Amino acid sequence: DIQMTQSPSSLSASVGDRVTITCRASQSIGDYLNWYQQKVGQAPKLLIYAASHLQRGVPSRFSGSGSGTDFTLTITSLQPEDFATYFCQQSHYPPRYTFGQGTNLQIK
Amino acid sequence: EVQVVESGGGLVKPGGSLRLSCTASGLTLSGYTMIWVRQAPGKGLEWVSLISSDSTKMNYADSVQGRFTISRDNSKNSLYLQMDSLRAEDTAVYYCARELSGYGRPCDYWGQGTRVTVSS
Repeated sequence: DIQMTQSPSSLSASVGDRVTITCRASQSIGDYLNWYQQKVGQAPKLLIYAASHLQRGVPSRFSGSGSGTDFTLTITSLQPEDFATYFCQQSHYPPRYTFGQGTNLQIK
Repeated sequence: EVQVVESGGGLVKPGGSLRLSCTASGLTLSGYTMIWVRQAPGKGLEWVSLISSDSTKMNYADSVQGRFTISRDNSKNSLYLQMDSLRAEDTAVYYCARELSGYGRPCDYWGQGTRVTVSS
């Protein structure tokens, strides 16, 4: 199975900051990379699909980039509601989807 | 309001069984591939099982193959996971999710999860 290495595992930032989370695949996955946000006790929420496409309704301060093995999720101008856990998912080899370990974004 | 709700989790002894359900309101599950994903305490997400929209294709992670059975009832807008021969390592929060067939195959709706604890 493809291994997804996500970093950092935790991150402290302030409202208004710009943050970047990275995800690396153990082999090329093209652009079959999705990003999700999860808050405690809530369902995961799709943010970015196919590496760089913003899901409908998601604020434009979220963006994704990358292809092949290296991907990034960037949040510009952090808002209080953005403090959550973020994880990536490769969907290049269905059904054996794999996920990053998650990044816990906390308020500094 | 769109809601996806999992149910059926609980505490079960090793070797026991549970049947998880996933039901949606304000959202159709029929016509879409559905998956189950789990998250063990302190671990990342792990794909568990997948079922195609017409139930002709079902796949399982190696860790649950032969013990878990996925099914669906499109008339009830529901998804199920029959879990038999449960082990301690099956302890996790189980999520169902709807997979889009388009670019990137993302999961656009997830439930909040149901907790399964396997312990004597």
